[in-house]
Amino acid sequence: DAGVTQSPTHLIKTRGQHVTLRCSPISGHKSVSWYQQVLGQGPQFIFQYYEKEERGRGNFPDRFSARQFPNYSSELNVNALLLGDSALYLCASSLDRWGGRGLKEQFFGPGTRLTVL
Amino acid sequence: DAKTTQPPSMDCAEGRAANLPCNHSTISGNEYVYWYRQIHSQGPQYIIHGLKNNETNEMASLIITEDRKSSTLILPHATLRDTAVYYCIVMETSGSRLTFGEGTQLTVNP
Repeated sequence: DAGVTQSPTHLIKTRGQHVTLRCSPISGHKSVSWYQQVLGQGPQFIFQYYEKEERGRGNFPDRFSARQFPNYSSELNVNALLLGDSALYLCASSLDRWGGRGLKEQFFGPGTRLTVL
Repeated sequence: DAKTTQPPSMDCAEGRAANLPCNHSTISGNEYVYWYRQIHSQGPQYIIHGLKNNETNEMASLIITEDRKSSTLILPHATLRDTAVYYCIVMETSGSRLTFGEGTQLTVNP
């Protein structure tokens, strides 16, 4: 079975533009989470979606938004890009909403590397 | 969620055991300890988790102190492929997010 897939793998944008990142979870997984990883730091939680509803949100501005589709794939949108948005954006999927067992079943994709110039 | 403290870096010789410590002195009774690792340019990978008993799986062992204020991840026979950043995370069973710290960069040397 395919793992979590993300597209594109790399992206270059300029300040002020917007970007859409895509994630396809493992087949059968209903929960998708998004993380931002700035170079040299650990990933920071942005959103969790489960059954197409937002179930958790990290400390990110409203420029960041996301949605989950009926097939459980997800998009992360970032508007009015800033230089500080340059990072690796990771998507993780799990079978169920998080809990003790849910964490064990978190599978991360390879990420999208976003560079804002 | 409780905060964790890890050394920024460690070295280990190939074939030897790697012991990675983590302090979580403010952990509460319903919080688990999780370990993830991230090999360069890849997404994080789950390793192991536990509540208060020691745990072992095919990848590693997790030793949690009796007072649960600290834990140690043990890779029994480290290989070069174990070179990665290792994250210790504490979270409730009903938690909805992973809170990563800065982790420990483990370098396995030949």
